[in-house]
Formats: sequence, C-alpha cells, structure tokens
Amino acid sequence: DIQMTQSPSSLSASVGDRVTITCRASQGISNDLGWYQQKPGKAPKRLIYAASSLQFGVPSRFSGSGSGTEFTLTISSLQPEDFATYYCLQHNSYAWTFGQGTKVEIK
Amino acid sequence: QVQLVESGGGVVQPGRSLRLSCAASGFTFSSYAMHWVRQAPGKGLEWVADISFDGSNTYYADSVKGRFTISRDNSKNTLYLQLESLRPEDTAVYFCARGAAGADYWGQGTPVTVSS
Repeated sequence: DIQMTQSPSSLSASVGDRVTITCRASQGISNDLGWYQQKPGKAPKRLIYAASSLQFGVPSRFSGSGSGTEFTLTISSLQPEDFATYYCLQHNSYAWTFGQGTKVEIK
Repeated sequence: QVQLVESGGGVVQPGRSLRLSCAASGFTFSSYAMHWVRQAPGKGLEWVADISFDGSNTYYADSVKGRFTISRDNSKNTLYLQLESLRPEDTAVYFCARGAAGADYWGQGTPVTVSS
C-alpha cells in the first residue's frame, strides 16, 4: 500500500499567518491527491483536488502544489474559521490512504 | 444539491453484525463509484472499502477484508456496508463518500460502537 507521511502533526498559528502543510507519498502518485478540512463532529470537506485545483466555493487563500511524491497545502492568511484538522488523501491506488492529519490551533 | 445520508449505526456486541446504509440524492448515483471511510474516536481517517459505479468491482482495506461487504442498489440510490464479526477496534464513525477525483462529497457519518 502507498503510505502518506503528513507533517507537522500539529501547529500553532495566529490569524493572518501563512501556514504550510506537507504530505509525502511512499511512491509516485502523479497528482492523485486531495486536501480535506475537518472540524470537530463534522464530515471532512474537500479543499483541493488533483493536487492543485481549488474546490468550487473554497476561499482562494487555500492553495495546493506538488506532483509525484511531494505535496503542499498552503493557507496564505489564516482566518479564525480555518482552525481545524487537515488531511491529505491519495487515490492513485485502489486502496486509498490518508495522511495522519495536521491540527491547526490558535496561538 | 448532492446529499448523502448514512444510517444504521449503533451499539453492538463483539462478534455481532450490523448493516449500514447511505441514501444518495441530488446526482446520478449509478454513475459514480462510492466509498466508505471511518474514523475511530480521536483518530484520523481510514479508508474502508469502495465499489464501482455498477457494483461489478469492490475493494477493501486489509483491516476489514473478509468481514465487511460493500454493495449498492442503484434502483434505490443506496449504498450499503455489511459489517460482520465486529471487533472493538471497529468502533468508529462511518462516512460514505462519492468517488470523484478522490472523495468530493461526504455524508455526516453514522457511529458504530462495538462493546460488550
């Protein structure tokens, strides 16, 4: 199975900060990667698909980049509603795998 | 609008069975692969199983292979997950998700607790 290593596992940041989260795949997955935001007690919400395409309705402060084995989610200016847990998901193989998650907390 | 509504969760003893359902609306259900994903309390997301748009192909995580069965009824716009030989480690919220470049829409989840 393809392993996804996500870092950091948590971070503290202030409103207005630039935040970067990384996922590394154990083998090449082309651009078959998405980024998801999850708030407590809620379903995950897709932010980015195909590694760098912004989901309709998602604010433009979210962006994704990468291909192959290295991927990045960037929040250009953190807003109060962005405090949540973020996951990457690879769907290149039939067995999907998620990153371990990054909890973004208020500093 | 796309809606996915799970049901069927509950408290069950180890070794028993349960069937989860996911009712879909707002899109052509028979055109999409569908997935089940679970989340144990305080833990991350784990893909469980998926089924092709016509039900002809199914795939499972190793952790559930041989115990869980995914199926669908396109005439009823409904996805199912049959859970058998349940273990305490199967305790989780189970989400269904539409497969489109990954998972684009998710249901709200149904909780399953396996405990004696």
